[in-house]
Amino acid sequence: EVQLVESGGGMVQPGGSLRLSCEVSGLTVSDIYMTWVRQAPGKGLEWVSVINSAGRTWSADSVKDRFTISRDNSKNTVYLQMNNLRDEDTAVYYCARDMGWGSTASWCDYWGQGTLVTVSS
Amino acid sequence: DTQMTQSPSFVSASVGDRVTITCRASQGISNWLAWYQQKPGKAPKLLIYAASTLQSGVPSRFSGSGFGTDFTLTISSLKPEDFGNYYCQQAKYFPLTFGGGTKVEIK
Repeated sequence: EVQLVESGGGMVQPGGSLRLSCEVSGLTVSDIYMTWVRQAPGKGLEWVSVINSAGRTWSADSVKDRFTISRDNSKNTVYLQMNNLRDEDTAVYYCARDMGWGSTASWCDYWGQGTLVTVSS
Repeated sequence: DTQMTQSPSFVSASVGDRVTITCRASQGISNWLAWYQQKPGKAPKLLIYAASTLQSGVPSRFSGSGFGTDFTLTISSLKPEDFGNYYCQQAKYFPLTFGGGTKVEIK
């Protein structure tokens, strides 16, 4: 059974940092694309970042230079390091398996339950 | 960026009704389109990918069509459990982008 479990969310002041984790079971993160998607309270879905099997990454302009996606193959875990957080980064953050291949991302079939990040002074 | 415009933003329909949601891309995306269903407090669920391929385990009353810039999601006969928000997503170009969502309410 495939499971994705996020952790690391919480409340942080503007300008602060957080690292989200997504522990994966039933899949091998080094073989697949993994994505972070977020959803601000009462709003729609926003794609954040993706890492492919080769370790190449892509990110939304809104988080580029502030957020970094990475993975630890030995822990089968994907991370989202979030620096210089802003009020508008407040959201539920979901990790998901992207069905992409090569240099092509696609759509997500397995999702975690989400972790809430609140940026507030 | 590729803008995805969904319509309508809200639909209220009765059990058994046929419901159609449309999604328009600001540029051609071939068939690089997916549809998701999301219920309150839950993660999105993949329904359709590659514009018209039904994800495993999804009921056959859901179908997708379209190519290029115009796409539709159809629920052929609405069931009570189909309430929720529906989103389209393009995967042709980075950044990947979602539509604004359609809320489906059961009358």
